[in-house]
Amino acid sequence: ETGVTQSPTHLIKTRGQQVTLRCSSQSGHNTVSWYQQALGQGPQFIFQYYREEENGRGNFPPRFSGLQFPNYSSELNVNALELDDSALYLCASSLGFTGSDYGYTFGSGTRLTVV
Amino acid sequence: AQSVTQLDSQVPVFEEAPVELRCNYSSSVSVYLFWYVQYPNQGLQLLLKYLSGSTLVKGINGFEAEFNKSQTSFHLRKPSVHISDTAEYFCAVNTGGFKTIFGAGTRLFVKA
Repeated sequence: ETGVTQSPTHLIKTRGQQVTLRCSSQSGHNTVSWYQQALGQGPQFIFQYYREEENGRGNFPPRFSGLQFPNYSSELNVNALELDDSALYLCASSLGFTGSDYGYTFGSGTRLTVV
Repeated sequence: AQSVTQLDSQVPVFEEAPVELRCNYSSSVSVYLFWYVQYPNQGLQLLLKYLSGSTLVKGINGFEAEFNKSQTSFHLRKPSVHISDTAEYFCAVNTGGFKTIFGAGTRLFVKA
């Protein structure tokens, strides 16, 4: 098992800019979810992709978007960055349409700072 | 809607002492329950999960948790902690849908 790999590990952006975060899922996992973890809080669900289609979304605005590729790697894109977008962004891979039964395998995250 | 409450934000404990991290959830339907651990500057690692069956669930690193449906609780326990157990612990609930709801976390601090 290769685990979940995220890049970059750290990133500093200016308010109003756009950012792309990348994730390589664990081998064999066809579902990827993205979470935002603000400092001192638990992770908050952004959205989930299954076989290249978004099949679930949390309470995040449309400027948060994603892609999943045929090899199950994925991207999280955030447009028009705001200061409150500063957080640790976690990618989590799992199996199945909902991905709930087995729990997640998480990456180490990307720490995004918006200044 | 589901919710998760971790009753303690911080738990200090001496090495080799037992520890319990408390978690209560709210849901009107059947749930899947999880505990994750997060070490500094890392992602979350699955400790254990309850899907169905026996209410006592054993996980990695000597941790176990008990599902209590009547109390809507899923407390995490370890009989003897080590310095290396110092980390943030998250309780999480899923009702079979796309979204897993996480608690705010409990910081376990093990003192020598």
